[in-house]
Amino acid sequence: EAQVTQNPRYLITVTGKKLTVTCSQNMNHEYMSWYRQDPGLGLRQIYYSMNVEVTDKGDVPEGYKVSRKEKRNFPLILESPSPNQTSLYFCASSLRDGYEQYFGPGTRLTVT
Amino acid sequence: GEDVEQSLFLSVREGDSSVINCTYTDSSSTYLYWYKQEPGAGLQLLTYIFSNMDMKQDQRLTVLLNKKDKHLSLRIADTQTGDSAIYFCAESLLREYGNKLVFGAGTILRVKS
Repeated sequence: EAQVTQNPRYLITVTGKKLTVTCSQNMNHEYMSWYRQDPGLGLRQIYYSMNVEVTDKGDVPEGYKVSRKEKRNFPLILESPSPNQTSLYFCASSLRDGYEQYFGPGTRLTVT
Repeated sequence: GEDVEQSLFLSVREGDSSVINCTYTDSSSTYLYWYKQEPGAGLQLLTYIFSNMDMKQDQRLTVLLNKKDKHLSLRIADTQTGDSAIYFCAESLLREYGNKLVFGAGTILRVKS
């Protein structure tokens, strides 16, 4: 089944403890992206990747890192999480930039 | 600027039509999208319209685009309880570095039986 998977789906952590949210797609898509969803703000793009080893900042990249070493994976790294990064995170992928984006199920992160 | 606005909440009775409205500010959009988010799930693309079209119909869904007023609407005919969800309007903007998707804050649709 063609899909985007994220792990974990739920995570509660403490300030400053490094964490990684994984994202994987099995559709051989070139383009991948991370968004955060906050009430009243919709989805805002954190980082995106046009292809392997090609990543760039979105609208709200501060406090996040990404890597794209393989086409299928696009992990989101929070080196030192803070409470303002408590949010619902979505990974998405598309065949290429500008094509329909397929979204993962989301990761709900709480930083205390 | 890049801004997409939607009303926050809509309540309708089962069987009625629902109309969700969206306005945007950037006239350089290439495509406009409607996504549906059910509780605990990711976003699912419902339908889209190319920016040079006025209308698109897809079964119970009708999308109307007024480019002059930068207004997009989604009409759901014969609304069912399974249509209860959050609906996001989004526009795709072509930038030097690629396409950018800008989302509205979402409209919560509640369908009463």
